[in-house]
Amino acid sequence: QSALTQPRSVSGSPGQSVTISCTGTSSDVGGYNYVSWYQQHPGKAPKLMIYDVTKRPSGVPDRFSGSKSGNTASLTISGLQAEDEADYFCCSYAGSYTFVPFGGGTKLTVL
Amino acid sequence: QVQLVESGGGVVQPGESLKLSCAGSGFTFRTSGMHWVRQAPGKGLEWVAFIQFDESLKCYADSVKGRFTISRDNPKNTLFLQMNNLRSEDTAVYYCAREGGVAAPGTFDYWGQGTLVTVSS
Repeated sequence: QSALTQPRSVSGSPGQSVTISCTGTSSDVGGYNYVSWYQQHPGKAPKLMIYDVTKRPSGVPDRFSGSKSGNTASLTISGLQAEDEADYFCCSYAGSYTFVPFGGGTKLTVL
Repeated sequence: QVQLVESGGGVVQPGESLKLSCAGSGFTFRTSGMHWVRQAPGKGLEWVAFIQFDESLKCYADSVKGRFTISRDNPKNTLFLQMNNLRSEDTAVYYCAREGGVAAPGTFDYWGQGTLVTVSS
């Protein structure tokens, strides 16, 4: 399985919205509704932000939303805040306990 | 609340072995699938291994297959990763993470704080 493809970096000003893409194939992202997104601040463990493409765990602000179109999933963060500055990783399940390599990660900078 | 606490990391030489542990609490460990995920310095996340709740299934990344063994002790709520024949490229922070299960397969819903493994001569 090949790793998912993410942009290396995105940026936005406070209050704006940004979208991070995650591109896979019809065997993973496009074939299953099991895409998840993780936020990681420097020196900290990753934190689950979105699962099953669109679902938010309890405690995650509704400023974070997920979507999918074809083989590309997206994470949108609206109303950017300074604390959103972090690395974001996507991941997809590919059935039969096949775990597709994480995306390379996207560094979000809040200007 | 769910807690995962890794231990056992350290500095070893190439070819040596190390065993990591992950103690779980705040959830029903014996019914949860568990993963190990690692992150090399300055790099992204790499899935390493998965074990089903009853050890009926174990999966490994190609990069560690044949060298690493995942196991668990359900009565002690502990996950393990036995790492043999370590290489410099195994240097990373190793995280244990809980599998999201039937409702969210392939999801890592809780993570430990990580333990650093350094392989260097």
